[in-house]
Amino acid sequence: AQSVAQPEDQVNVAEGNPLTVKCTYSVSGNPYLFWYVQYPNRGLQFLLKYITGDNLVKGSYGFEAEFNKSQTSFHLKKPSALVSDSALYFCAVRDIGNTPLVFGKGTRLSVIA
Amino acid sequence: NAGVMQNPRHLVRRRGQEARLRCSPMKGHSHVYWYRQLPEEGLKFMVYLQKENIIDESGMPKERFSAEFPKEGPSILRIQQVVRGDSAAYFCASSPLAASTDTQYFGPGTRLTVL
Repeated sequence: AQSVAQPEDQVNVAEGNPLTVKCTYSVSGNPYLFWYVQYPNRGLQFLLKYITGDNLVKGSYGFEAEFNKSQTSFHLKKPSALVSDSALYFCAVRDIGNTPLVFGKGTRLSVIA
Repeated sequence: NAGVMQNPRHLVRRRGQEARLRCSPMKGHSHVYWYRQLPEEGLKFMVYLQKENIIDESGMPKERFSAEFPKEGPSILRIQQVVRGDSAAYFCASSPLAASTDTQYFGPGTRLTVL
């Protein structure tokens, strides 16, 4: 069965600095990988996904993620963090065959002015 | 184009009562997914439905929980005889296709509190 690990519960970064939110996965076949963001008392908003092709995926709000098959990772990155990026970030994976979307436990990002 | 809509946003029930959560998918989407989020945890898959069919209910508790997506109207997640452990945020998502590559779009959630 597929699984996702987000090793950091909390990431703190100064405004203007680059940010990275880590994600590793495990699937039996080729993975379909997703990043979502959740603001307080809100639903999840889709940021980006990797299906196939270029390992660097660009998404909403200046976020990007790099798929690394050998390290089974899909880290979320942004070159310059904003205070408004402070939120809860979820990595999710799906295997082939329309299996359920499996989420990590989330990483709380705090961007400090 | 309206997003996924869920109501009510907040629901308070006493132990033993029934909770009914509604989800209207995005226009043009015929695939609906329900997830539960406990405090400080990620989302856990519960059930996947298409119109009038339950496709995958592997994440649903065996008792007290049921879901439907009728031909007309919203999808309903029903919890009978609620207990305190049912307190959580329940999210609905929809997608236009059934492919694993398809993005699921989430509603704002229903926060259920069981007293």
